[in-house]
Amino acid sequence: DTGVSQDPRHKITKRGQNVTFRCDPISEHNRLYWYRQTLGQGPEFLTYFQNEAQLEKSRLLSDRFSAERPKGSFSTLEIQRTEQGDSAMYLCASSQQGIRETQYFGPGTRLLVL
Amino acid sequence: AQTVTQSQPEMSVQEAETVTLSCTYDTSESDYYLFWYKQPPSRQMILVIRQEAYKQQNATENRFSVNFQKAAKSFSLKISDSQLGDAAMYFCAYRAAQGGSEKLVFGKGTKLTVNP
Repeated sequence: DTGVSQDPRHKITKRGQNVTFRCDPISEHNRLYWYRQTLGQGPEFLTYFQNEAQLEKSRLLSDRFSAERPKGSFSTLEIQRTEQGDSAMYLCASSQQGIRETQYFGPGTRLLVL
Repeated sequence: AQTVTQSQPEMSVQEAETVTLSCTYDTSESDYYLFWYKQPPSRQMILVIRQEAYKQQNATENRFSVNFQKAAKSFSLKISDSQLGDAAMYFCAYRAAQGGSEKLVFGKGTKLTVNP
């Protein structure tokens, strides 16, 4: 039984560089979510996909952020021209649409922008 | 917009004792789901318990139970017979029912310390 996996687990980058994170959901789950968590806060929603369609985006997701989920399987989150304020934990979650729907979280990617 | 408030930044409990974590939320919806998630230090978030708003019966999962007061928009978590492994950040979360936004809205969390 494999849960949600994320890669890399840690990323250190310099301001202005681009970074890309990957999330592999639980295999039978058709929904995939991205959240951002800063120190001392709860996760904040960024965006979510149902299959390959991106159905909702938060206002937190500036033009520098883009997410994709080709073929409705894994997803990538790219941040262009990183800023120090982007330093956070980026969490991915997946769920199977339905009445008992529950989001299961991955371990996260911790990003540090120097 | 829906909001979730956890008024206790930190709580502590003695091993084997009972502790209650508070959560209140604000919504104009009548149907929704509420969750408690646990995030141990440097480990991933895991679901502790969920409650459907249309159910009057409070959810229970082994040592974990909730007190859901819909009219008061309150959703507290009770941990009985606390164990050292219960030490973690606990987040209360809200999600609209089918047809609404699918996102989870989280509170800021409560850090639970379990003393031996």
